[in-house]
Amino acid sequence: QKEVEQDPGPLSVPEGAIVSLNCTYSNSAFQYFMWYRQYSRKGPELLMYTYSSGNKEDGRFTAQVDKSSKYISLFIRDSQPSDSATYLCAMSDTNAGKSTFGDGTTLTVKP
Amino acid sequence: KAGVTQTPRYLIKTRGQQVTLSCSPISGHRSVSWYQQTPGQGLQFLFEYFSETQRNKGNFPGRFSGRQFSNSRSEMNVSTLELGDSALYLCASSLDQTDTQYFGPGTRLTVL
Repeated sequence: QKEVEQDPGPLSVPEGAIVSLNCTYSNSAFQYFMWYRQYSRKGPELLMYTYSSGNKEDGRFTAQVDKSSKYISLFIRDSQPSDSATYLCAMSDTNAGKSTFGDGTTLTVKP
Repeated sequence: KAGVTQTPRYLIKTRGQQVTLSCSPISGHRSVSWYQQTPGQGLQFLFEYFSETQRNKGNFPGRFSGRQFSNSRSEMNVSTLELGDSALYLCASSLDQTDTQYFGPGTRLTVL
């Protein structure tokens, strides 16, 4: 079983919808939680970075971490066609240089 | 500030050959990590370098190696290429081990 499991998708939503992306993990040593967005044929782009449990908001994006349930989420409000991409969750313990990634969820936002 | 750069962007090799990929981190970043991304396996950690020392290594065979120079630039080498080595190779840099990583655009390697 993988250390990080990500809802596989794909997801297709209409423009303006609220999107929820989720990952679960098994390694209780993980302390750093990241969400990346990756467009086709590009490298991953950091969206959100959270240390330990709690919520973090940045514009239309909200990241939630529940360490007791080993569950993290990314919410996208008022989704736009430009949000269409693959979203990757990533986690690490004390060394952010060695992150463990989920397999990604491909999101399509239709105009 | 310039982002992480990787060269070359695209590469085609044949089985048995070797290849060297290069990564220049963001200025001031001392940690460089390498990942392999394939449709079947996703993003997998290869190794991480910090101040010219390999600090972590993933579960890849010894054909995969790397190094880091005093200016933090890094190279990775794959010897005796196999068809399964075809992938997007991503480099990421960070200030230090607890800092977030920033990825480059990747080098797409095709092995024929």
